[in-house]
Amino acid sequence: TQLLEQSPQFLSIQEGENLTVYCNSSSVFSSLQWYRQEPGEGPVLLVTVVTGGEVKKLKRLTFQFGDARKDSSLHITAVQPGDTGLYLCAPRDSGTYKYIFGTGTRLKVLA
Amino acid sequence: NAGVMQNPRHLVRRRGQEARLRCSPMKGHSHVYWYRQLPEEGLKFMVYLQKENIIDESGMPKERFSAEFPKEGPSILRIQQVVRGDSAAYFCASSPLPGAEQYFGPGTRLTVT
Repeated sequence: TQLLEQSPQFLSIQEGENLTVYCNSSSVFSSLQWYRQEPGEGPVLLVTVVTGGEVKKLKRLTFQFGDARKDSSLHITAVQPGDTGLYLCAPRDSGTYKYIFGTGTRLKVLA
Repeated sequence: NAGVMQNPRHLVRRRGQEARLRCSPMKGHSHVYWYRQLPEEGLKFMVYLQKENIIDESGMPKERFSAEFPKEGPSILRIQQVVRGDSAAYFCASSPLPGAEQYFGPGTRLTVT
C-alpha cells in the first residue's frame, strides 16, 4: 500500500498572504493531479503534472512536481476568500489506472 | 452541461433497503470510476468500469455492492441491504482514456437511517 501524506491538514490564513501545501510519498508516480473540493460538491481538477521537475502555473497557483516524482507542492500567492476549500493531491498509482487521493489540506481564507 | 452528472444528489434509505446511484459520464468518455468519501477522509477508490466491463473492482466491498456500466445508459452503483456504515458521499469520475485525467460529478450523498 502506498502512503500519501498531505500537509498541513488545516490552514487558516488572512486574505493576501501566501501559502504552500505539500503532497509527499515514498513511491514514484507516473503523474499527479491536484483538485479543489468545496463543501457539498465534487472535486474540480486544477492541474495534472507528469514530468519530474515540472512547474505549472494557473493564475495565482503554482504547481510543482518533484524531480523524483515522489512529491508535489502547490503554492498560492495573495490568497482570496474564493480560494477556500479542500485541496487534494491524487497521484496515479504506478502500473494501474487508479489515482490515490490524500486526505487533503483544508484551507480557509479570512477576509 | 457537458459535465459528469450524478443522481440523485441526496438519497435517504432505511437499513435493509437498496440504494441505486447513477452516473452519466462526460460526453465522449467511456471510462467511469466510483469513489466513496467519508467525513474528514479522502476519496477511496471503489471500482473502474468501461462500457459493459468491470476493469478493476479491488476497492469494492465483497458483499452487497455491485456496479455496472451498460452499453446504453448511465453507470449504476448498487448497494443492497444498506447499513448505517454505508452513509457517505459517493462520487463518480470519468475519463476519455484509461489513466487519463478524471473529471468528477457532484456526488450522491447517501444517508442510511
